Amino acid sequence: ETGVTQTPRHLVMGMTNKKSLKCEQHLGHNAMYWYKQSAKKPLELMFVYNFKEQTENNSVPSRFSPECPNSSHLFLHLHTLQPEDSALYLCASSQEDRSGNTIYFGEGSWLTVV
Amino acid sequence: QKEVEQDPGPLSVPEGAIVSLNCTYSNSAFQYFMWYRQYSRKGPELLMYTYSSGNKEDGRFTAQVDKSSKYISLFIRDSQPSDSATYLCAGGLTGGGNKLTFGTGTQLKVEL
Repeated sequence: ETGVTQTPRHLVMGMTNKKSLKCEQHLGHNAMYWYKQSAKKPLELMFVYNFKEQTENNSVPSRFSPECPNSSHLFLHLHTLQPEDSALYLCASSQEDRSGNTIYFGEGSWLTVV
Repeated sequence: QKEVEQDPGPLSVPEGAIVSLNCTYSNSAFQYFMWYRQYSRKGPELLMYTYSSGNKEDGRFTAQVDKSSKYISLFIRDSQPSDSATYLCAGGLTGGGNKLTFGTGTQLKVEL
């Protein structure tokens, strides 16, 4: 148990579907992240939220839409995805202050686009 | 050139061996470095983090950073089958949220 919970763990969706990934952190952190992990590729940072404000959008296509209603919850809304978007989507959180920069990951949501 | 380069392996060693996992990086601005362990179909788990050149030890694990050559290493002593996983190195920047740049990961298998 890392303190970062992601649901669903597995998702299969068609290219015309709309779905959402949910992340909740129980660590009292003030920053949350979405990363994408594809086979044979490094983890790619997608979005960063710091105190609920988006501070980074790493050139992510608009078919991925993040939402951060508060410091503990983060969503990734998915629509009209492509098969190449199939990957492991990891949520993470950290405390942005001088005490440390440790980033904790959830277990991930395995997404398959068919 | 990738910002963080890591040999993907797989690296296979016998139980009890000393394992050396290495990364090079190109971004001089990285302020800290991290090693994560990722078991199959699980999220990455933080193993070690370092802020400066030198060694940091935690149990069987030692992280080493050489900023002059932009080289980071993770040593695992007395390796166990339970150490079999993919090891990810990352360089990090602070400000507006922590931003990590990862290598591709090295797959390690420790055999009985």
